[in-house]
Formats: sequence, structure tokens, C-alpha cells
Amino acid sequence: NAGVTQTPKFRVLKTGQSMTLLCAQDMNHEYMYWYRQDPGMGLRLIHYSVGEGTTAKGEVPDGYNVSRLKKQNFLLGLESAAPSQTSVYFCASSYAPHGFSGPRNIQYFGAGTRLSVL
Amino acid sequence: GESVGLHLPTLSVQEGDNSIINCAYSNSASDYFIWYKQESGKGPQFIIDIRSNMDKRQGQRVTVLLNKTVKHLSLQIAATQPGDSAVYFCAELNQGGKLIFGQGTELSVKP
Repeated sequence: NAGVTQTPKFRVLKTGQSMTLLCAQDMNHEYMYWYRQDPGMGLRLIHYSVGEGTTAKGEVPDGYNVSRLKKQNFLLGLESAAPSQTSVYFCASSYAPHGFSGPRNIQYFGAGTRLSVL
Repeated sequence: GESVGLHLPTLSVQEGDNSIINCAYSNSASDYFIWYKQESGKGPQFIIDIRSNMDKRQGQRVTVLLNKTVKHLSLQIAATQPGDSAVYFCAELNQGGKLIFGQGTELSVKP
């Protein structure tokens, strides 16, 4: 089972460049998430999606855009990269309908994308 | 606001000893908690979860304890092995249905 797959694994950008990070899950999960992880900051939610065609802002959405055109894919875009966006980005997915508390809320993570913006 | 924090940022234990990783949460209405393990260069991996109607849950070599009175969560790892070396995160499900992660505790196992 592939689970959650992120591409690319590593990327170096120059300030002002754009890029798209791809997340794919094969578990038929409704919910998908993008996080960034910085030293000493834990995981912070950037954007999430509750289903195909929907997106919503998380804790730190500025400078990022997302799209969920297909249920299995969740794309994270940086239109004009900044050094402050140097981070490790994780995608996750879960069954989790709103308000349901339990194993369906377990989020399964990809291996991460390490992004450096110079 | 909501916060999930860890008492100790690092923990070093001898191989074979038991490890205890602690976590405090601030929202008394939270009713579901998850522990994740993150090895170097990898994404977080689910270890064990617990609902608020329980105070203890056991898995394979791991036990999670929940004390709702003091809003405290702990992860106990029995007979710690070198493969247990990782960062451990607790996560709290907030009322909006999103997981709030703590900053993590780095567990180092000495052979």
C-alpha cells in the first residue's frame, strides 16, 4: 500500500519563483491537509480540504494556495516563494467527518518535501 | 486559546528501560488524543490514540494514560529499544475537527 505520496522530496527555489507540491493518497480519504514543520514550531496547518472541490484555510495560509480537483490529489502552490517559506512540508489525509471523534480522525502522513528558498 | 505542549523537549533513556513522555493540553472539552512518532527524515506515524471516556489504553509496548482532571496525557514505552529513538508528538482534536499538535519530545535511546 502506497498510503500518502508526496512529490518532489527535495526542492531548492530562488526568491520569487513558483512551484507546486503534489500529494496523492490511495486510501479513499475525504479529508486532506497540508502542514509545514519548522524547528521548535511543531506542525502547523496551512490549508485543508474536506472533500473533492473544496478547500479551507488553516493556521498559516498566507503565501500558499491549494486545489483539490480530484479526491485523491491535493496540490499546494507557492506563487512567489520567499525565504520564510523554507521548511519541510507534510501532506496528510484522514476519513474524519466533522464532529466525529475517534479513529476516523487519525491522519496519515506522507514522507515530506524539503524546500529551501534562497 | 488551544495549546498542546510537552513538558520535556528531550529525553534520554538507557536501552531496556521504560520511557515516559508527557503532554499537557489546555482545552478541557477535547475528547480525542493521538500520539505520533516521527523518525528522522520521515513523516509522523500514528502510534496510539485514546478517547476521553478512557483513562488508559495499551498497545504493543506502548501505553497512553489520560488524566482529565489535570489535563495531562502521557505515553509510556516499555523496554525502550534503539528503534524507538524519534520525536514524539501528542495531538489533540479540537472542536472544529482539526488536530492540534504539540511541539514534540525527542527521545534518545542509549545502547
